[in-house]
Amino acid sequence: DTGVSQNPRHKITKRGQNVTFRCDPISEHNRLYWYRQTLGQGPEFLTYFQNEAQLEKSRLLSDRFSAERPKGSFSTLEIQRTEQGDSAMYLCASSPRLAGYQETQYFGPGTRLLVL
Amino acid sequence: AQTVTQSQPEMSVQEAETVTLSCTYDTSESDYYLFWYKQPPSRQMILVIRQEAYKQQNATENRFSVNFQKAAKSFSLKISDSQLGDAAMYFCAYNPSGTYKYIFGTGTRLKVLA
Repeated sequence: DTGVSQNPRHKITKRGQNVTFRCDPISEHNRLYWYRQTLGQGPEFLTYFQNEAQLEKSRLLSDRFSAERPKGSFSTLEIQRTEQGDSAMYLCASSPRLAGYQETQYFGPGTRLLVL
Repeated sequence: AQTVTQSQPEMSVQEAETVTLSCTYDTSESDYYLFWYKQPPSRQMILVIRQEAYKQQNATENRFSVNFQKAAKSFSLKISDSQLGDAAMYFCAYNPSGTYKYIFGTGTRLKVLA
């Protein structure tokens, strides 16, 4: 399967612990997005990478959240000192860069985080 | 603030019938893109259809079509000949041209009745 993959699919942690999620985009896609989706809501934009550069961040991305995309391939999203309010589905999406055209995003299956 | 509103939390349709899902958005931009995404239960979100704001012609993809009313800031999705596999959450999304930020609505859960 050559789609977007995310690991782990589920994560249960205790409040105050750090967690890290991984996203592997479609191989030829140089754009990568992270979203957060809580129950009953649509995805909320967190951050965007073009290759290894993080070009846009939402105000939702507090200082406890950090994202990286070394070498412009896979990306990680780390949440430090987790809080119960961080419980959500974290979605990753990737897209190719097409000049003069707004590309389609391809979403991964998400990582569901539960903070106890 | 740019917002996307889906006023129908849940809709039902009989198999083979037609259903329309509503979406309105608020923006002061003139150039942007609109999308409908489908999220089946426990499955990945996939693109259903997209519309460029500069195009007056409504987008169509097989049984899916949109009614784009730019002045009214309305972007509804029509599903014809509904199938059981159409049952899912449907999200409307807005993307201002030149940015990478996508704004999603809260979704409409579509149930297809056999």
